[in-house]
Amino acid sequence: EPEVTQTPSHQVTQMGQEVILRCVPISNHLYFYWYRQILGQKVEFLVSFYNNEISEKSEIFDDQFSVERPDGSNFTLKIRSTKLEDSAMYFCASSDLLGSNEKLFFGSGTQLSVL
Amino acid sequence: GQQVMQIPQYQHVQEGEDFTTYCNSSTTLSNIQWYKQRPGGHPVFLIQLVKSGEVKKQKRLTFQFGEAKKNSSLHITATQTTDVGTYFCAGTRGTSYGKLTFGQGTILTVHP
Repeated sequence: EPEVTQTPSHQVTQMGQEVILRCVPISNHLYFYWYRQILGQKVEFLVSFYNNEISEKSEIFDDQFSVERPDGSNFTLKIRSTKLEDSAMYFCASSDLLGSNEKLFFGSGTQLSVL
Repeated sequence: GQQVMQIPQYQHVQEGEDFTTYCNSSTTLSNIQWYKQRPGGHPVFLIQLVKSGEVKKQKRLTFQFGEAKKNSSLHITATQTTDVGTYFCAGTRGTSYGKLTFGQGTILTVHP
C-alpha cells in the first residue's frame, strides 16, 4: 500500500530554534494535513492544505507555524521559534478525497523534542 | 469548540473476551472515523461511518454510528493479542472534512 513518508523520525532542537519537518504525501493525493500528539494525549489537528493554500487551521497553529508545498512532492511544516510545549509527535497525513469517501493516511511521524 | 469524549481510557481483557469502546460528541457530526494506533506507531484508518444509525462490520470488529450522529461505538468480538493498541474515534463537523477531532483514545491490552 502507498505510504506517507516523514523525515526526520526524530528531531532534537533548542528552544527558540527553527525546525522544518518534512513530509512526502502519497503521490496522487490532493489534500494534506498536519496533526500532532503530545505524549500520552490525543491527536490534535493543526492545519489542512489544498490547492497550495491553507484550508483550515486550529488555534494551535499560530504565527510561529507555517506550511509549504515547495515542489510537487514535499509538504513541510515550519516552526519558527520553538517552545518547550511544541515537543510532540508530528504526523503528516494526506487524502485523495473529501467527504463521505474520505480516508486519511498518516505518516510514521516526527518526534520533536525541544530542550 | 467541538469535544469528542471516549471511554473507557483503558481496557484490559483476557484473550477471547469482547471489548467495546464508546465515543460521544458534544455536537452533531458529519461523519465519524475510527483509527488504530499500535504502541509507538501512527494512526491507521479502520473505517468511516456517515449515515445515521449506520452499522458496519469488519471481521470481528463492529462499528456503530448513533441515530443522532453524536455517538459511536467499536466492538471487538473474541479479542486476540494482535488487537492490542489504542483505538481512536475522530469526527468531522459540517464541511470541515479532514479536520478530525479525535477522542482521547482507549488503550486496549490483551492478556494471552
